[in-house]
Amino acid sequence: DQQVKQNSPSLSVQEGRISILNCDYTNSMFDYFLWYKKYPAEGPTFLISISSIKDKNEDGRFTVFLNKSAKHLSLHIVPSQPGDSAVYFCAASGGKTSYDKVIFGPGTSLSVIP
Amino acid sequence: GAGVSQSPSNKVTEKGKDVELRCDPISGHTALYWYRQSLGQGLEFLIYFQGNSAPDKSGLPSDRFSAERTGGSVSTLTIQRTQQEDSAVYLCASSQTGGLQPQHFGDGTRLSIL
Repeated sequence: DQQVKQNSPSLSVQEGRISILNCDYTNSMFDYFLWYKKYPAEGPTFLISISSIKDKNEDGRFTVFLNKSAKHLSLHIVPSQPGDSAVYFCAASGGKTSYDKVIFGPGTSLSVIP
Repeated sequence: GAGVSQSPSNKVTEKGKDVELRCDPISGHTALYWYRQSLGQGLEFLIYFQGNSAPDKSGLPSDRFSAERTGGSVSTLTIQRTQQEDSAVYLCASSQTGGLQPQHFGDGTRLSIL
């Protein structure tokens, strides 16, 4: 049973436009969420996180929105750049699983077209 | 370098053989994690070490899998009597203190079982 879902395996966006990557979770005990970015043949790198006490966190071109009632979060990238082309993993932790056992989604592959 | 180092980067072996994968975490990081990423899948948690505490082995898929962390630093993941379904990229990550600290990943070991 997948506790963190990313229902879009891939997404294509024109350079300069907004990229919106979605993530849904099923465990209402999760209260800390992260996004990681992964290039081919490299390990994932941390991008941005959000605690459940907030509904938005912004870092430069990256903003994460959290809707607790819908158990949904999204990552917005604006403006999108070709270097943003990568696989993006949504991850969640907290509650009974503790903050150390981070559950990752299957990833969404983003292609930013020049 | 200053990042998480994994070796070997690629490993091809015959079914039934034992393999050892190595992870050198970032110096001073007390938390160390192992994950597995099978083709088209997300990151699957395997095991977590924190300081001198007993490791969380709850993600290990079978008793053929084991891991050690010597001296609170280098870790080895051992897979005995490998099976074809063990073929995956094995990723190691470390974080400063665990918990809410972001994890820093190595580039992984791509394991192929013939």
